[in-house]
Amino acid sequence: QKEVEQDPGPLSVPEGAIVSLNCTYSNSAFQYFMWYRQYSRKGPELLMYTYSSGNKEDGRFTAQVDKSSKYISLFIRDSQPSDSATYLCAMMRMDSSYKLIFGSGTRLLVRP
Amino acid sequence: GAVVSQHPSRVICKSGTSVKIECRSLDFQATTMFWYRQFPKQSLMLMATSNEGSKATYEQGVEKDKFLINHASLTLSTLTVTSAHPEDSSFYICSASGRERYSNQPQHFGDGTRLSIL
Repeated sequence: QKEVEQDPGPLSVPEGAIVSLNCTYSNSAFQYFMWYRQYSRKGPELLMYTYSSGNKEDGRFTAQVDKSSKYISLFIRDSQPSDSATYLCAMMRMDSSYKLIFGSGTRLLVRP
Repeated sequence: GAVVSQHPSRVICKSGTSVKIECRSLDFQATTMFWYRQFPKQSLMLMATSNEGSKATYEQGVEKDKFLINHASLTLSTLTVTSAHPEDSSFYICSASGRERYSNQPQHFGDGTRLSIL
């Protein structure tokens, strides 16, 4: 079993839809949770960074962490064609390793 | 803020050539830098972690003599693919992380280097 599970998609939605992206994990030692967006042939871009459980909102993006269920989500409101990309969840333990454990990424396509 | 610059973005060279890729943190001090490899439609695979002024820590299965990493300053790390062969063709991405007391900082990524060995 992978430490982090993420549905690879693709997920296709019409423009303006609310998008829900999710990851589950098995290691309760994860304390830091991130969402990255990666366009084709580019490096990942940090979208959201949260510590422990709770919600965080930034513009059209909302990240949720439920540590009791080992489940994290990213919501995108009013989705745009420019949001079409691969979204990677990533997690990190609170120790000195600073290593990220990535999900496999979900490909999102927002149709005009 | 938190900009990471990676150069070159694209390299095409002959088999047997050594290739150096640079990773710079432009507006913060990167105490730790990471090198990843990514295959098409797959997630990132961590190759090694480097801390400024010390030897890199390589992941299992990554040849340290093949992939030489130098992290000489708080803003620069280099990856040298020595005697590259076609199987080394891939997308290589670096990331950098600063460090604040009592908290881990997220990694910020460069835009990657597409390496093609003929």
